[in-house]
Amino acid sequence: GQNIDQPTEMTATEGAIVQINCTYQTSGFNGLFWYQQHAGEAPTFLSYNVLDGLEEKGRFSSFLSRSKGYSYLLLKELQMKDSASYLCAVRDRSTSGTYKYIFGTGTRLKVLA
Amino acid sequence: DARVTQTPRHKVTEMGQEVTMRCQPILGHNTVFWYRQTMMQGLELLAYFRNRAPLDDSGMPKDRFSAEMPDATLATLKIQPSEPRDSAVYFCASGLDWGGQNTEAFFGQGTRLTVV
Repeated sequence: GQNIDQPTEMTATEGAIVQINCTYQTSGFNGLFWYQQHAGEAPTFLSYNVLDGLEEKGRFSSFLSRSKGYSYLLLKELQMKDSASYLCAVRDRSTSGTYKYIFGTGTRLKVLA
Repeated sequence: DARVTQTPRHKVTEMGQEVTMRCQPILGHNTVFWYRQTMMQGLELLAYFRNRAPLDDSGMPKDRFSAEMPDATLATLKIQPSEPRDSAVYFCASGLDWGGQNTEAFFGQGTRLTVV
């Protein structure tokens, strides 16, 4: 089966660093995505990992370990506008070669002044 | 400015009524996904299409939900009859199904459905 776990809620202070973890189980792993979703808005793409290691993109970095079924999103120099939900998603490849995106329930991050 | 467009943005309807939600995927994208988002369940995949053909609708209650792609520029999700438990935000997303890098799914703004 497919399963994605991430913490429900996290709180951090402006200017700090926060790490949001995600563990997954899937039969046809073909990439891990992180999305940001502000309240009342659509999810927007943040990062993508398909190989093990760290991908850095400005203040955001994402890490993947395929053998452990584990990823994290690292947010540095937190700003108030980073208060949002962060969704971990796995792209799963079926035996017929088609792809779909399976999402975790999201981690709601609150950034405090 | 390529984007996924969904209509309507908000819908309030009475229990038992038919609801139709529409989605225009990004031009050139060959895969379209319908998701439902609630506080409790997060983003649940309802159905998805590749080159307009339905691939998997196992996440959808078949007795009342139906999804179609009459052409490459339009995907529809229909609920008949609607029930209060269908109240949620319904997102459409589109993407390119070629297995390469950075092929993220692009989301529309969603349809917030309330069934009373």
